[in-house]
Amino acid sequence: GDSVTQMEGPVTLSEEAFLTINCTYTATGYPSLFWYVQYPGEGLQLLLKATKADDKGSNKGFEATYRKETTSFHLEKGSVQVSDSAVYFCALYSGGYQKVTFGIGTKLQVIP
Amino acid sequence: KAGVTQTPRYLIKTRGQQVTLSCSPISGHRSVSWYQQTPGQGLQFLFEYFSETQRNKGNFPGRFSGRQFSNSRSEMNVSTLELGDSALYLCASSLQSPGDGYTFGSGTRLTVV
Repeated sequence: GDSVTQMEGPVTLSEEAFLTINCTYTATGYPSLFWYVQYPGEGLQLLLKATKADDKGSNKGFEATYRKETTSFHLEKGSVQVSDSAVYFCALYSGGYQKVTFGIGTKLQVIP
Repeated sequence: KAGVTQTPRYLIKTRGQQVTLSCSPISGHRSVSWYQQTPGQGLQFLFEYFSETQRNKGNFPGRFSGRQFSNSRSEMNVSTLELGDSALYLCASSLQSPGDGYTFGSGTRLTVV
């Protein structure tokens, strides 16, 4: 079945540091890929998505590129802020099953 | 534009009781999905509804059920509650399909004592 693998963290970075959160997946066919973010006490928010190979999703300074050859969708940001502290979830959607499969989530803590 | 509304935000129930959670999706969104979130298991898919029809169901016992109404609002019900059902229950809506991208509600925090 479909699965998403990401590091659990926590990842602790200083403000303005470069961020990478790795995500790899296993799926049949050609899934759509997503990053969601969850701030404390809230539901998840869609951060970015990519629907086909080599697509780059971007939003709020975050980027991720759909790499079919390495089955990866790593999240990056050039300069993190304290306000980016949250839990980040990588996810995939395989058409036809009407469900999204989520990774375990990676907690990011940014210190001033 | 109103977001996804889940009620209630918090619930405390006793083992053996049943509970009903409610979700109002974003206007125009016809697909509603439910997830259980726990620290140990992460986000586990419960079910997805579209036009009052359940299109997919996760690996949960039959005590977990749901439905969707003609206005796309959805409810989920858990009967004979167990301590292990304590979790954050998240509802997410999307335009036609989960592949369109979810908008999540803030969740219902259920505690079973």
